[in-house]
Amino acid sequence: DVKVTQSSRYLVKRTGEKVFLECVQDMDHENMFWYRQDPGLGLRLIYFSYDVKMKEKGDIPEGYSVSREKKERFSLILESASTNQTSMYLCASSLLQGLLSDTQYFGPGTRLTVL
Amino acid sequence: TQLLEQSPQFLSIQEGENLTVYCNSSSVFSSLQWYRQEPGEGPVLLVTVVTGGEVKKLKRLTFQFGDARKDSSLHITAAQPGDTGLYLCAGAKGSNYKLTFGKGTLLTVNP
Repeated sequence: DVKVTQSSRYLVKRTGEKVFLECVQDMDHENMFWYRQDPGLGLRLIYFSYDVKMKEKGDIPEGYSVSREKKERFSLILESASTNQTSMYLCASSLLQGLLSDTQYFGPGTRLTVL
Repeated sequence: TQLLEQSPQFLSIQEGENLTVYCNSSSVFSSLQWYRQEPGEGPVLLVTVVTGGEVKKLKRLTFQFGDARKDSSLHITAAQPGDTGLYLCAGAKGSNYKLTFGKGTLLTVNP
């Protein structure tokens, strides 16, 4: 079974702190994604990566950066956390680009609260 | 602009009832997926539909992709409390592996 793990289930940080959210997948997937999920807004794509050291902006990249130094690990970085970044953060991975039936496998999520 | 509109947003029913959830768009998608998300967990894929008019069944769940590949529906027969969760539709365009998600339908099935 594919497993996507996220470093923390719950995280509380203060405004201005630098925050790292880590995601690891164990199935050698090429693609990895970071979403945030907010009530009434659904899942919104922040960044994705289709290969090591490759990244592309999603729909809401402002205030975030990412790092993918190894294939299995994709990190989301909040350079200076703000209260409007309080949200549920979901990481996902998928096998290959270009497949119409490609499945995204999600981690359990990190609920981040910025005070 | 929300490309995928899901309705209803909330649905609370009694065990044994039938229900239908809709996912509509003005855009054409090459494929459409349905995910279910349970509290405290990430979404899990239920089904992918690719061909216009396609119907797929998964036990008591029936998924349909519209003929024009702009909309989809999920029908649940004889709902059970275990069906409770957030149902999300997600569309892909061409060979683009990015997905566009709807806002979801939160289903509660009461025993």
